[in-house]
Amino acid sequence: DIQMTQSPSSLSASVGDRVTITCRASQSISSYLNWCQQKPGKAPKLLIYAASSLQSGVPSRFSGSGSGTDFTLTISSLQPEDFATYYCQQSYSSPYTFGQGTKLEIK
Amino acid sequence: QVQVVQSGAEVKKPGASVKVSCKVSGYTLTEVSVHWVRQAPGKGLEWMGGFDPEDGETIYAQKFQGRVTMTEDTSTDTAYMELSSLRSEDTAVYYCATVRYQLLSTYFDYWGQGTLVTVSS
Repeated sequence: DIQMTQSPSSLSASVGDRVTITCRASQSISSYLNWCQQKPGKAPKLLIYAASSLQSGVPSRFSGSGSGTDFTLTISSLQPEDFATYYCQQSYSSPYTFGQGTKLEIK
Repeated sequence: QVQVVQSGAEVKKPGASVKVSCKVSGYTLTEVSVHWVRQAPGKGLEWMGGFDPEDGETIYAQKFQGRVTMTEDTSTDTAYMELSSLRSEDTAVYYCATVRYQLLSTYFDYWGQGTLVTVSS
């Protein structure tokens, strides 16, 4: 199975900050990497697919990059509604494993 | 507009089975697949399985092999996930999601609202 490791596990930041979350795969997954956002008590929401493609309706302050084993999610200017937990997920091969999550909190 | 609506919460005794439904509208199940993901209380997301159109078969996480059955009814665009031999560790919110298989990308684009399954004696 491909292991996905996110860092950091938690992060405190302020509105307006630029934030970067990293995700590392245990083997190459090409660009089969997705990012989703989950708020408490809600279903996950797709933000980025294929490492860098922005899902329709997602604000442009979210961006993704990387290929192979190392990936990043960047939020260019944090907004109050962005405080949530973020997960990466590989869809290169079954099982389609998730990272452990990064909880983004208000400083 | 795509909507994914799941059946309601369930309470089951250990050893029982549960069947959760997932109704998709705005897509047909001939153009997307449905996969299932669960989340135990306070924990992360765990992929369980789903239909892989590239192989034409349903794939399951090894952890659930032999205990889970996922089916799709294309006439009603409804997917189902049945988990048997329930134990307390299966208490979780179960999500279904529509999955797009495209050239160089596979992604879970729309999610159901989740179904809480509680296993308790």
